[in-house]
Parts: sequence; C-alpha cells; structure tokens
Amino acid sequence: AQKVTQAQTEISVVEKEDVTLDCVYETRDTTYYLFWYKQPPSGELVFLIRRNSFDEQNEISGRYSWNFQKSTSSFNFTITASQVVDSAVYFCALRISGTYKYIFGTGTRLKVLA
Amino acid sequence: KAGVTQTPRYLIKTRGQQVTLSCSPISGHRSVSWYQQTPGQGLQFLFEYFSETQRNKGNFPGRFSGRQFSNSRSEMNVSTLELGDSALYLCASSRWVADGQFFGPGTRLTVL
Repeated sequence: AQKVTQAQTEISVVEKEDVTLDCVYETRDTTYYLFWYKQPPSGELVFLIRRNSFDEQNEISGRYSWNFQKSTSSFNFTITASQVVDSAVYFCALRISGTYKYIFGTGTRLKVLA
Repeated sequence: KAGVTQTPRYLIKTRGQQVTLSCSPISGHRSVSWYQQTPGQGLQFLFEYFSETQRNKGNFPGRFSGRQFSNSRSEMNVSTLELGDSALYLCASSRWVADGQFFGPGTRLTVL
C-alpha cells in the first residue's frame, strides 16, 4: 500500500529561524513522483516542487530546499530564515507511475511568528 | 495566463439532492483532477481525467462521478447528497499526468 506520513501536525517558529518539514512515504513501486504543496490561509494550494524517483539530487530555490533520500523514503522540506508569509499548511504528496493516483499527507501547519 | 477556475464558489444543498461542480483548467492543460478536502479526512483524491478519459479513481462511492469535455473543462457530479459530503472540492490541472498540479480556489459545498 502507498502512504505519505507527515508526522508534524503543527510547528511554530519565530521569524528568521530555519524549519524543516518532514515527509516519509511508502511505496513498493520503483517509479513514482513526490511533490510539495503549500496552502496559505487564503486556501488555494500552490505547487512548490516535483521530484521523480530516479532523481535524488537535492534542490534549492531561494530560501527553500528539499532533501530527497530514497534510503530512508523521505522527502524533507527546509525553509531557511522563515518569514511570516511562510505561514501555511504544507502538504507532501506521492504519485505512482502507472496508476497515477495521488496520495497526500495530512499536512503540517507552519506558524511563523513575528 | 489565467489560473484554474471553479464555479460555483459556494453551494448549499439539502440531503438527497444532487450537485454539479465545474472546473476550467489552465489553457493547454489536459489533465484535470478532483479532490475533496475536509478537516477530518484531509485531502482525498477523487478522480483524474486526461483527454476526456478517466485515468483513475479514488475510494469514493459511485455517487461521485465526473467527466471531461473536449476543451478539457471538467464537471463533477454528486448525487443523493449526504451530510458527510460537506467539504471543499478542489480541482487541479496539469499539462501532463506526472506534472505538478495547479489548483483552483475550490467549491465549498454545504449539505444541510
């Protein structure tokens, strides 16, 4: 069975702190895709990044970085020098090649305090 | 480029009624997916359409159905509404099925 676990339900940090959001996935498939989405208080989900199972390179985009490790089935997301605008619910998702079903984690609510 | 649009934004229905929700994807996007979001169950995948064909379906009863038109616009229908169908229904589109998805603002359905 496929599953995505985001064990951190809610995280609060003070502005400028770094924060890492954890994502652990389960699948027996060899080809799959991992995603992160952000849902700000306004409600609309925003696509952040996609990784396929054959690409374990870490990615950095501004203050955001992603660490994909197949050995631990994790795809963690780090925000450096957090800002109040980063406050949102962040979802990690898994998509299996073939069936293309989307499995979302339960989300992590990040609160960045000024 | 216009984003994903969903209509209506809000709906109030009573039990037993049926409802149709509409989604217009980003121009050029051929894949449209539907999700149900509730506080208790989180974000759950309903189904996905690509080039008018349903590619896959989540674990929802047959009361939930959908279709996609030749212009990629999609509709979702829920028949015989139940109180538990109250949720935010999100539509998302992508150019190809494995791409990241772009979400619409959702339709908030309340069933009384």
